[in-house]
Amino acid sequence: QVQLVQSGAEVKKPGASVKVSCKASGYTFTNYGISWVRQAPGKGLEWMGWISIYSNKIKYAQKFQGRVTMTTDTSTSTAYMELRSLRSDDTAVYYCAKFQWPGDPRGFDYWGQGTLVTVSS
Amino acid sequence: QSVLTQPPSASGTPGQRVTIRCSGSSSNIGSSTVNWYQQLPGTAPKVLIFSNNQRPSGVPDRISGTKSGTSASLAISGLQSEDEAAYYCAAWDGSLNGWVFGGGTKLTVL
Repeated sequence: QVQLVQSGAEVKKPGASVKVSCKASGYTFTNYGISWVRQAPGKGLEWMGWISIYSNKIKYAQKFQGRVTMTTDTSTSTAYMELRSLRSDDTAVYYCAKFQWPGDPRGFDYWGQGTLVTVSS
Repeated sequence: QSVLTQPPSASGTPGQRVTIRCSGSSSNIGSSTVNWYQQLPGTAPKVLIFSNNQRPSGVPDRISGTKSGTSASLAISGLQSEDEAAYYCAAWDGSLNGWVFGGGTKLTVL
């Protein structure tokens, strides 16, 4: 069965960086890709970007351009999302989600359990 | 401010039918498919509807989705207490080459 298991909660100071991992299992990691979505406390969902392992393409939402980097390690079927220059309004639960169709970012089905990142001085 | 517009709340009594509407534009809903997600408190979102009206296995047929023009709707019939959750619409936006979401609708079963 498909599973996405994310790393544990993080507490960071403003200006620091955080790197969240998302370990995939139950499917052929290299045929798909991962989208990243975040949710601030009590707020809605916000798309951050996607990385296609199949086509080796990456797309970041304009809001995060220059501050985010998405990578993968195919040897461990793990995706990573690094966010730099953290601010208090980056406090959120960060989710990874698997592409629904091979190589196509226009859909995602399975989600990780979420990683809470708290930014506080 | 979310790109897609949903009502912040909806409610119904057990057994009723509830519809949640999602409005977008020609660059997202008008030219792409819509997904609907259910989020129970403290959990990750779960896909209820994909490609406008397709249900993943395990989602009951009392849940349905439709799309017309730049709007989409999620309908839940035979409302049950377990349906109390937040519901989000999402669409691919070709001009952004990425996803846009609605602000979410909190469904209360009275």
